Amino acid sequence: KQEVTQIPAALSVPEGENLVLNCSFTDSAIYNLQWFRQDPGKGLTSLLLIQSSQREQTSGRLNASLDKSSGRSTLYIAASQPGDSATYLCAVLQTGANNLFFGTGTRLTVIP
Amino acid sequence: DTAVSQTPKYLVTQMGNDKSIKCEQNLGHDTMYWYKQDSKKFLKIMFSYNNKELIINETVPNRFSPKSPDKAHLNLHINSLELGDSAVYFCASSPGQRGQTQYFGPGTRLLVL
Repeated sequence: KQEVTQIPAALSVPEGENLVLNCSFTDSAIYNLQWFRQDPGKGLTSLLLIQSSQREQTSGRLNASLDKSSGRSTLYIAASQPGDSATYLCAVLQTGANNLFFGTGTRLTVIP
Repeated sequence: DTAVSQTPKYLVTQMGNDKSIKCEQNLGHDTMYWYKQDSKKFLKIMFSYNNKELIINETVPNRFSPKSPDKAHLNLHINSLELGDSAVYFCASSPGQRGQTQYFGPGTRLLVL
């Protein structure tokens, strides 16, 4: 069964730093991978979706990469801002399945 | 506003009660989902419907019964609530069954006393 792990569980950085969040998954037979952001007490907002045939996706200061064979994805955030503080979740859609398998999340705090 | 909406936002109730959570999407999507986020913030799929038909039914107690009156609505009814049902329940929708971005509602925070 697919298992998705995110490291670290929590991360604090000073404003302006570049940072990387990691996601790993046990079954490489995935259809796509998504990165979400969850603010406290709120729902999830989709940030980036990478299809299994793609290596990376970019949106503004965010860049997500995918290495399907090694079961890894990273989310790179450039020039972090206090407004980036949130929990970041990665989720994979496994080939043949219809639902997302979520990681455990990384809680990011950007200190002004 | 186009979105996925859920009601109620908060629900506090006694053990043994029956309650319903409603979800509506006006995005014109064909597929809707219910997820449960536990106290450790872990999100797990519960159900999925495509055009009013059940396509995913994960291992959840049969006290949980989803109902989709039309493809824009997916409600969740819970019978005989237990303490362990306390969680945040998220509804989501996507244009098709697979491979597309899922859009999430704001969540319903359920507390069973």
